[in-house]
Amino acid sequence: NAGVTQTPKFRVLKTGQSMTLLCAQDMNHEYMYWYRQDPGMGLRLIHYSVGEGTTAKGEVPDGYNVSRLKKQNFLLGLESAAPSQTSVYFCASSYSPSNEQYFGPGTRLTVT
Amino acid sequence: LAKTTQPISMDSYEGQEVNITCSHNNIATNDYITWYQQFPSQGPRFIIQGYKTKVTNEVASLFIPADRKSSTLSLPRVSLSDTAVYYCLASNDYKLSFGAGTTVTVRA
Repeated sequence: NAGVTQTPKFRVLKTGQSMTLLCAQDMNHEYMYWYRQDPGMGLRLIHYSVGEGTTAKGEVPDGYNVSRLKKQNFLLGLESAAPSQTSVYFCASSYSPSNEQYFGPGTRLTVT
Repeated sequence: LAKTTQPISMDSYEGQEVNITCSHNNIATNDYITWYQQFPSQGPRFIIQGYKTKVTNEVASLFIPADRKSSTLSLPRVSLSDTAVYYCLASNDYKLSFGAGTTVTVRA
């Protein structure tokens, strides 16, 4: 039981490049989330999903897209990376809306 | 989402009890209070959740007064490994709002 895993762990992009972050969970959770955390700050919700095939915008969705084609996977895409997207990205999942969220180890992204 | 306010930092020594108070004056009737812990370079980890009165588990206690406008996380007999950032959240759904949290530093 791996919990929540994220791929890759680190990535450096040049401005304008694109990439996809992969989140996978093996707990059969319906709800999945993508957050970003900037230095010295709390986490901010980017997008979330309440089930396979459904996604919704969170607090800071601009510049990101997501997809949930399979229940266990939640992908976060950056179509044209900007330096302002330099951050640590965390994925999380939960069984229900009010239940605890399980977080992955994070992906550290640097955009130059 | 209910806005929460908690101290920016707290210092303690090994073996002491640490109490972190969180203010959530505009908490909604169906909001739960949840605390997460985050170590450097790791994702947050759930500590405890409660609605009212007192909740205790193997790592912490959560005290919530009757008016629910504040809550206190109590960490008994802390060790160096409890040095982390602690987040207080008040929510009834998945749209969690993490503030800056409280950085707890435990010294030997």
